[in-house]
Amino acid sequence: NAGVTQTPKFRVLKTGQSMTLLCAQDMNHEYMYWYRQDPGMGLRLIHYSVGEGTTAKGEVPDGYNVSRLKKQNFLLGLESAAPSQTSVYFCASNRQGLRVSSYEQYFGPGTRLTVT
Amino acid sequence: EDQVTQSPEALRLQEGESSSLNCSYTVSGLRGLFWYRQDPGKGPEFLFTLYSAGEEKEKERLKATLTKKESFLHITAPKPEDSATYLCAVRHQGGKLIFGQGTELSVKP
Repeated sequence: NAGVTQTPKFRVLKTGQSMTLLCAQDMNHEYMYWYRQDPGMGLRLIHYSVGEGTTAKGEVPDGYNVSRLKKQNFLLGLESAAPSQTSVYFCASNRQGLRVSSYEQYFGPGTRLTVT
Repeated sequence: EDQVTQSPEALRLQEGESSSLNCSYTVSGLRGLFWYRQDPGKGPEFLFTLYSAGEEKEKERLKATLTKKESFLHITAPKPEDSATYLCAVRHQGGKLIFGQGTELSVKP
């Protein structure tokens, strides 16, 4: 099992450019998440999905869009990149269930994005 | 407002010098507390889940404990390979995780 994978690992964009980050998981997890991590800010939730075809806003959704067309994939889009979106982006997933252990999230390796 | 605070922000230890990391939280309806380890340039790696006050979990040199207001990650006789950032997260009634800012641990030989 590869677990959670992210593509690309690094990217440099110019202000106004667009891009899509891809997250894939092979654990058959229902829930998937996109976070950004900035120095001194911790991990902040951007968007999440509780199942194929569903998405919801997290704590910092502005400037981002997401799609979950397939259960194993969760895409994060930046339509018009801004320098404030320079960050490290992490995807995570967990299975659905009633036990607390169901909410143990498994993270990908991250995508380091720089917007100039 | 739901909040998770970790202390200290950074901790430097000598190899073998035991210590503890703190995670204090205010959250409406705790539905689990999670500890993660994050190495530089990598994603967080799951360590422990705690659910009820008084619960303890152990893994090698690490032991996590939980009270009604905080959790501790005790590190016994740490080694240089334990150097990493340790993240605490709580799952609240709404279901999502709220992360603390982390404690950066450095263990020198």
